[in-house]
Amino acid sequence: QKEVEQNSGPLSVPEGAIASLNCTYSDRGSQSFFWYRQYSGKSPELIMSIYSNGDKEDGRFTAQLNKASQYVSLLIRDSQPSDSATYLCASISGSARQLTFGSGTQLTVLP
Amino acid sequence: GAVVSQHPSWVICKSGTSVKIECRSLDFQATTMFWYRQFPKKSLMLMATSNEGSKATYEQGVEKDKFLINHASLTLSTLTVTSAHPEDSSFYICSARPGQLVFYEQYFGPGTRLTVT
Repeated sequence: QKEVEQNSGPLSVPEGAIASLNCTYSDRGSQSFFWYRQYSGKSPELIMSIYSNGDKEDGRFTAQLNKASQYVSLLIRDSQPSDSATYLCASISGSARQLTFGSGTQLTVLP
Repeated sequence: GAVVSQHPSWVICKSGTSVKIECRSLDFQATTMFWYRQFPKKSLMLMATSNEGSKATYEQGVEKDKFLINHASLTLSTLTVTSAHPEDSSFYICSARPGQLVFYEQYFGPGTRLTVT
């Protein structure tokens, strides 16, 4: 059973809208959570990390973590066509010491 | 900050030859580096984890004699694909983790596209 699940999409939103990406994880020992953006043919780029319950905002991006529900989300406000990419949710637990990735959500922002 | 470079960005080699890929952390010391491969439209697959000065830990199914990993310093790791074959053609991506382990942030290099003819 995969430890990190993402809504597989694809997800399309119009330019200027809010894109909502969701992720659940099964390992309650997970300590840190990350969102990576991967453009086609490129390597993943770390865009958000979150470790505590609640919201964390960075520019147009907001990550939300709810450890009780084992749920992580990423909101992208004022979506732009340049945000079109695959978004990877990842977690890490202290014992594993390596990232566990979800399968990714492909986002398309329509101009 | 937290920049990871890879060299070369792409390489074409003939079947049976060996190819070395370098991964460097440019502005931090990386106690742990990771090597991944990715096929088109597929997920990242972790190949091995290496810690500076010690032998790499390979994932199940990855041939350690074929994919030689050396983590010679806190800023450099190399992956050598030995006796490459067309099925080794893939996108190889390294990743590095800074020495501070509290939050386990991990940064990826730009990747190396290997084509074996």
